[in-house]
Amino acid sequence: ETGVTQTPRHLVMGMTNKKSLKCEQHLGHNAMYWYKQSAKKPLELMFVYNFKEQTENNSVPSRFSPECPNSSHLFLHLHTLQPEDSALYLCASSQTREGRHTQYFGPGTRLTVL
Amino acid sequence: LAKTTQPISMDSYEGQEVNITCSHNNIATNDYITWYQQFPSQGPRFIIQGYKTKVTNEVASLFIPADRKSSTLSLPRVSLSDTAVYYCLVGDGYNKLIFGAGTRLAVHP
Repeated sequence: ETGVTQTPRHLVMGMTNKKSLKCEQHLGHNAMYWYKQSAKKPLELMFVYNFKEQTENNSVPSRFSPECPNSSHLFLHLHTLQPEDSALYLCASSQTREGRHTQYFGPGTRLTVL
Repeated sequence: LAKTTQPISMDSYEGQEVNITCSHNNIATNDYITWYQQFPSQGPRFIIQGYKTKVTNEVASLFIPADRKSSTLSLPRVSLSDTAVYYCLVGDGYNKLIFGAGTRLAVHP
């Protein structure tokens, strides 16, 4: 499935580094999401964007900074991360219609913070 | 937000039918029920979605009783490749989809 793509697929960074994760959706959806999934834990919703406007910030530390320049692209800027931030970061998109929506997920970026 | 409860894990054998039941006692009138499948180190994949009665697609069926307080995902004739975590979610169609721990299905030869 190539509806939602994420780059890079794997990232190793030191705690002083600055990096960015990129997500692109080719489905014409109006909403995009960032999730974090730590080992053997449920997905945690981080940020939600609707029509490029952030509508949800789930108490995420400021070392994670999202950016949504348009409805097809979503970035997650990372700086001064901690080892406990190591996780699988998933991007998703959806199109709300008639009170229901289905989220389509990308393959994720496996992040390791040393 | 309607909370969902699913079994933590299930075991099955190849060729069997698997039924995973999800409880959502506080489901709201506008909520739909959606099931996702997730393999290790991959993003969840949409399986099926429904509002009431029965929905069937090429991979699964979803049974929803009249009171909508539960739902059952039915996987016919599972194979080893169906080993995954299955999530049940309810939502009114906007923003908040809260993923629980899901059900870890193990299919054995």
